[in-house]
Amino acid sequence: AQKITQTQPGMFVQEKEAVTLDCTYDTSDPSYGLFWYKQPSSGEMIFLIYQGSYDQQNATEGRYSLNFQKARKSANLVISASQLGDSAMYFCAMRFSGGYQKVTFGTGTKLQVIP
Amino acid sequence: DTGVSQNPRHKITKRGQNVTFRCDPISEHNRLYWYRQTLGQGPEFLTYFQNEAQLEKSRLLSDRFSAERPKGSFSTLEIQRTEQGDSAMYLCASSDRDGSSYEQYFGPGTRLTVT
Repeated sequence: AQKITQTQPGMFVQEKEAVTLDCTYDTSDPSYGLFWYKQPSSGEMIFLIYQGSYDQQNATEGRYSLNFQKARKSANLVISASQLGDSAMYFCAMRFSGGYQKVTFGTGTKLQVIP
Repeated sequence: DTGVSQNPRHKITKRGQNVTFRCDPISEHNRLYWYRQTLGQGPEFLTYFQNEAQLEKSRLLSDRFSAERPKGSFSTLEIQRTEQGDSAMYLCASSDRDGSSYEQYFGPGTRLTVT
């Protein structure tokens, strides 16, 4: 069975500092995709970044980067130069290339950026 | 390019009543997904449509729940004889292709409160 674990229920970061949100996963499937979504208080899930299981390089999207360590089954999100608008829930998620179409989510980390 | 829309955004109902939610996916997306998110948790997969065909259903989708996508465009999710445990955010997502490398685009959700 596939499982996503986010062990940090809440995190604080000072504005303009970098922060790392942890994510570990468990799967026996060799082909999968890892995603991070942001969910502001308004409720909408906003796609941030994607990492494929066969990708050799870590993914980056603007201020977001994904620290992918396949052997350790971890996919941590790094947000650089935090902004007040980054305050939100962040979910790590996984999708598989087989017959499954669903995305499996972790329990999320609530990030609060302090001015 | 309009995103995924969901209506209503909020619904308060009394236990035992039936409710119906609507999701309009991104126009060129033929894949549509329903998720349920309870407080403090990540979204949990409910069901998946490819065009009008419902191809995957979660065990979470009890016989009180039914989803349709009659013309392969918008979808409805109906809950019959609502229970307090049905109180949650119901999220709809769409995508234009299968595979682990393609993200799903989420709507703003419908927040259901059963009193």
